[in-house]
Amino acid sequence: GQNIDQPTEMTATEGAIVQINCTYQTSGFNGLFWYQQHAGEAPTFLSYNVLDGLEEKGRFSSFLSRSKGYSYLLLKELQMKDSASYLCVVMDSNYQLIWGAGTKLIIKP
Amino acid sequence: TAGITQAPTSQILAAGRSMTLRCTQDMRHNAMYWYRQDLGLGLRLIHYSNTAGTTGKGEVPDGYSVSRANTDDFPLTLASAVPSQTSVYFCASSDWGESNTGELFFGEGSRLTVL
Repeated sequence: GQNIDQPTEMTATEGAIVQINCTYQTSGFNGLFWYQQHAGEAPTFLSYNVLDGLEEKGRFSSFLSRSKGYSYLLLKELQMKDSASYLCVVMDSNYQLIWGAGTKLIIKP
Repeated sequence: TAGITQAPTSQILAAGRSMTLRCTQDMRHNAMYWYRQDLGLGLRLIHYSNTAGTTGKGEVPDGYSVSRANTDDFPLTLASAVPSQTSVYFCASSDWGESNTGELFFGEGSRLTVL
């Protein structure tokens, strides 16, 4: 079966750095997405990786290793507004999206 | 710009009743999707449409139907609601092409409670 694993919940301090890991086992691979979802709101797109390596976008970076079936989302200079769930999503060989259950990130002052 | 509009935002429905969740996009995206989101689970695809006039079944299609008469509208119908259909429903769209990743744009969600 196809599976996405990410931690259920993480806690970090305002101003610090946090890394949210995601491992996947899917039928093929056509890219990995990270989405942010604030409580009671819709998911919004953060990043897309299809090649190995690090993609940086402001305070957020996303890393991919296809050989290890592994990605992480790195959030720097954490702000209270970063409190949200972060969803790891993999597109398989049939272009189907496989969604992780999400990591709830709690930011403390 | 409106993006994707869903209606209603919230609804309480008696079991056995029918219900249509509406979804309209103004971005001229070719693909549209309906997902349900339940606590502790990833988003699950109910139905999708790659282009106007075509639809397909997702991971959890039973009890739901969709239509795509035009590019903009993608309604989701529950013919006879059951309590297990209590969930938050998200409509989404994407524009597949060589120059983009196919990222999804979501509506604000419709919270449905079936009693």
